[in-house]
Amino acid sequence: DQQVKQNSPSLSVQEGRISILNCDYTNSMFDYFLWYKKYPAEGPTFLISISSIKDKNEDGRFTVFLNKSAKHLSLHIVPSQPGDSAVYFCAAGGTSYGKLTFGQGTILTVHP
Amino acid sequence: EAGVVQSPRYKIIEKKQPVAFWCNPISGHNTLYWYLQNLGQGPELLIRYENEEAVDDSQLPKDRFSAERLKGVDSTLKIQPAELGDSAVYLCASSSNSGNTIYFGEGSWLTVV
Repeated sequence: DQQVKQNSPSLSVQEGRISILNCDYTNSMFDYFLWYKKYPAEGPTFLISISSIKDKNEDGRFTVFLNKSAKHLSLHIVPSQPGDSAVYFCAAGGTSYGKLTFGQGTILTVHP
Repeated sequence: EAGVVQSPRYKIIEKKQPVAFWCNPISGHNTLYWYLQNLGQGPELLIRYENEEAVDDSQLPKDRFSAERLKGVDSTLKIQPAELGDSAVYLCASSSNSGNTIYFGEGSWLTVV
């Protein structure tokens, strides 16, 4: 039972354009959502988060959008840079849930 | 401030041998997690500690895996005996509170041959 899904295994984007990574979840008890970035041979690094009381959170080039009715979140990166090339994981959890559940990841490649 | 520290970074062992991984969480973080990451997959929780108590070990294969966090700080994860299918990355993470942002170490990469 995969409660958090990233349906696109990979995404290729030109430098300077927008990258949009998507994530769907099924458990309505999730109230906290995060994105992590992972470079090869490193652990995942926290990128940005959003709680269920908001529908948008912005941090520099990164914006996370949450659509609770659709149980969908997305990460927008504008403008995309080659250094953004990595695997991106979405995760969901919350104080009542006690742990984070991760999606399978999306490999983002930003071409110069 | 130091992040989550794990050792060893890489380990190659023969099947049926034991292996142990060590983790030191971020100072002041009461919650510690061990996650397993297989190639091409997201991290999956093995065990979660609140201080020294294991509050969620439902996904830990208890026939061969064990973990401890005796003083509520450092933790070790042991596999005995290791099987070929245990080849994966073992990630330790910590957080100030359960269910909120967790911070990962660099992982311990295990290859069982």
